[in-house]
Amino acid sequence: GDSVTQMEGPVTLSEEAFLTINCTYTATGYPSLFWYVQYPGEGLQLLLKATKADDKGSNKGFEATYRKETTSFHLEKGSVQVSDSAVYFCALSDQPNAGKSTFGDGTTLTVKP
Amino acid sequence: DAGVIQSPRHEVTEMGQEVTLRCKPISGHNSLFWYRQTMMRGLELLIYFNNNVPIDDSGMPEDRFSAKMPNASFSTLKIQPSEPRDSAVYFCASIQTGGPSVGEAFFGQGTRLTVV
Repeated sequence: GDSVTQMEGPVTLSEEAFLTINCTYTATGYPSLFWYVQYPGEGLQLLLKATKADDKGSNKGFEATYRKETTSFHLEKGSVQVSDSAVYFCALSDQPNAGKSTFGDGTTLTVKP
Repeated sequence: DAGVIQSPRHEVTEMGQEVTLRCKPISGHNSLFWYRQTMMRGLELLIYFNNNVPIDDSGMPEDRFSAKMPNASFSTLKIQPSEPRDSAVYFCASIQTGGPSVGEAFFGQGTRLTVV
């Protein structure tokens, strides 16, 4: 079945540091890939997505590239801010499964001033 | 659209009582999911519906949990009887399986359940 593996957290960085959160996946079809962010006390919300190989999703300075050859979708940001402190979830949606989403375990990011 | 709407936002109940959580998905979305989130276990998929039909309920922890989707605009998750270990944040999410947002999950704000 489908699965998503994220780098374990928590991750603690200083402001303006470079961020990478690794994500790899296993899927039977050709999934769409997503990163969601959850701020304290809130639900998950979409951060960025990519729907086919070599697509790059980007939003709020975050980027991730759909790498089919390595089945990866790593999240990066060049300079993190305190306001980026949140939990980040990698996910996939596999069309043959009629829209079912599979989520990773989440990675908690704390950015210190 | 107002997004996915969950109610109540907070629920405190005594052990043994019945609890019903409610969810209104985004209009036009044909898949709906119930998740549970705790510090210990993270985000767990409980059940998911497609076109109001339960497709996968393998994540439902035990018979005390049940979920229904009587129509495209409403779903409930019921716990009867509730236990302290059910304390968690319960999220509902809906997905549209076609169109520009295909596959994107829209989450509600969650219901924080505390069983004492």
